[in-house]
Amino acid sequence: SQTIHQWPATLVQPVGSPLSLECTVEGTSNPNLYWYRQAAGRGLQLLFYSVGIGQISSEVPQNLSASRPQDRQFILSSKKLLLSDSGFYLCAWKDLGNTIYFGEGSWLTVV
Amino acid sequence: AQSVAQPEDQVNVAEGNPLTVKCTYSVSGNPYLFWYVQYPNRGLQFLLKYITGDNLVKGSYGFEAEFNKSQTSFHLKKPSALVSDSALYFCAVRDMNDYKLSFGAGTTVTVRA
Repeated sequence: SQTIHQWPATLVQPVGSPLSLECTVEGTSNPNLYWYRQAAGRGLQLLFYSVGIGQISSEVPQNLSASRPQDRQFILSSKKLLLSDSGFYLCAWKDLGNTIYFGEGSWLTVV
Repeated sequence: AQSVAQPEDQVNVAEGNPLTVKCTYSVSGNPYLFWYVQYPNRGLQFLLKYITGDNLVKGSYGFEAEFNKSQTSFHLKKPSALVSDSALYFCAVRDMNDYKLSFGAGTTVTVRA
């Protein structure tokens, strides 16, 4: 069966520091991958989407970037964090039945 | 463009009573519709989806939803709510020709014992 892993689960970083959140999917090949951000426990905003290695679509201009160095690995990064980058970050993947499944999320607090 | 509206921020029901969480959507093409549930500090769990076929879809934990094309709605229902159903529920839509899944703002369900 397929599983999705995100780490770290929680992260506290100072303003101006770099960020790296990692996501891997097991049990499938060439999945469509997503990064979402959830603010204030409510709405979800799509940040990045990837259909394959090195293929990244960005939904909104921001302080973040994404990379897909391997088929089942999706990384969210920042060179210099802002206070407004705080939030709950969710990685997700889409199966052949068009269902999108989410990881357990990563809590980022920028101080 | 696609969008989802969940008109109720909160729904409160007594245990054993029917539960309904409302959702309406807007897409330019044919919709793929989803419901997810989120417990505190957790990721989203998939409940059910409508892609094509029967308008009434059944999902996990006794939930079901009915696709109504004329009313552009996809309301989530459960005949008899449990206290453990208390959580945040999200409706989502994707145009069949698009990759982006758009979410509603979420509805907090509280089931009292």
